[in-house]
Amino acid sequence: DTEVTQTPKHLVMGMTNKKSLKCEQHMGHRAMYWYKQKAKKPPELMFVYSYEKLSINESVPSRFSPECPNSSLLNLHLHALQPEDSALYLCASSPGQGVDDEQFFGPGTRLTVL
Amino acid sequence: GEDVEQSLFLSVREGDSSVINCTYTDSSSTYLYWYKQEPGAGLQLLTYIFSNMDMKQDQRLTVLLNKKDKHLSLRIADTQTGDSAIYFCAESSGSGTYKYIFGTGTRLKVLA
Repeated sequence: DTEVTQTPKHLVMGMTNKKSLKCEQHMGHRAMYWYKQKAKKPPELMFVYSYEKLSINESVPSRFSPECPNSSLLNLHLHALQPEDSALYLCASSPGQGVDDEQFFGPGTRLTVL
Repeated sequence: GEDVEQSLFLSVREGDSSVINCTYTDSSSTYLYWYKQEPGAGLQLLTYIFSNMDMKQDQRLTVLLNKKDKHLSLRIADTQTGDSAIYFCAESSGSGTYKYIFGTGTRLKVLA
């Protein structure tokens, strides 16, 4: 298995909802990432987990809460989001063997906040 | 801060070569990457180059690196309509982390 999977593909939520995005990989990678991508813009890094520990938090608002339950799974819990949080959320993974790991991306979850 | 710049658009005819350019600022980057993103999809790693190399060829793809000018290019030979996508270059941060700095993206349109 050489891919990163993300569920759901699409998510529509209200500002008072709580939802979660899920990401999974079975390549034995030990680094996992969440990115946010707005239309026609490059991805922006949100969080990095290295060996299941949060190693980078790019000053993301607390309404986004990451979780890494094990080395294959990465979740992003969403609560009280704003319409401007609507974007494509991309998960990526890399072997975690060095700072120049190649990152492999999932297909993304397209989130719409009403 | 670091900036990675790309031209926004490129239009070529099917069968021609495409050259997508990227300039970066972090001279400590050790790897530079090219990703392809089709509409509504994630990013697909196309190729990468180590900073001590000048050129890397992989089938239809040729990557050229001019480290002195901090200039990276991706040449696609015999461009096909399926190559229409957004292409992002990325450099790995030299700050000892797993951060990538992505370029602004180039939208390639291949005309039949």
